[in-house]
Amino acid sequence: GAGVSQSPRYKVTKRGQDVALRCDPISGHVSLYWYRQALGQGPEFLTYFNYEAQQDKSGLPNDRFSAERPEGSISTLTIQRTEQRDSAMYRCASSTRQGRAEAFFGQGTRLTVV
Amino acid sequence: SQQGEEDPQALSIQEGENATMNCSYKTSINNLQWYRQNSGRGLVHLILIRSNEREKHSGRLRVTLDTSKKSSSLLITASRAADTASYFCATARETGNQFYFGTGTSLTVIP
Repeated sequence: GAGVSQSPRYKVTKRGQDVALRCDPISGHVSLYWYRQALGQGPEFLTYFNYEAQQDKSGLPNDRFSAERPEGSISTLTIQRTEQRDSAMYRCASSTRQGRAEAFFGQGTRLTVV
Repeated sequence: SQQGEEDPQALSIQEGENATMNCSYKTSINNLQWYRQNSGRGLVHLILIRSNEREKHSGRLRVTLDTSKKSSSLLITASRAADTASYFCATARETGNQFYFGTGTSLTVIP
């Protein structure tokens, strides 16, 4: 596609439910990144992929968070048993050249856990 | 975790003036990028500077990089009200491809 697409744009879920956030990167982009951004803060790194391989997941807060990119294109970030502290903007980005080039961000998914 | 730290945290200037923002970081880097974010909306890539470069220009933007001081600056010349936004630096380490954002500078340009 023309840009990085994330869905849904907004998600309200009840505490304890699982959620899946989707990211469709720019066609042909090798690297895909997930970030989380709290209001008034800079984006916080969560995890990234080169093709289908998850290269670093050190930023995932705990084992309730997981991500996959099975065919090297679309990625899903899953949060199990959501908690109120998971409420944030989740942002996805993609880039060419395995991270050595500029990254382009999607519009984000605003997650609210009630 | 956050890698960079922007300074100042907030900056308010008159339209037409220049705005300078600084970014300091801790570890050796492969490249450094600057992003703009309007009022909690999407992040827009502005410019990327590699560790072997010292200065880059793009339109009204000028970025410098001093790897010996582990710092970078973003200069916006002849500012406009539309430049009002938060500006973030993001550093990519020498190893690994992930990049880490700083805390951001909130710029307000008064018409």
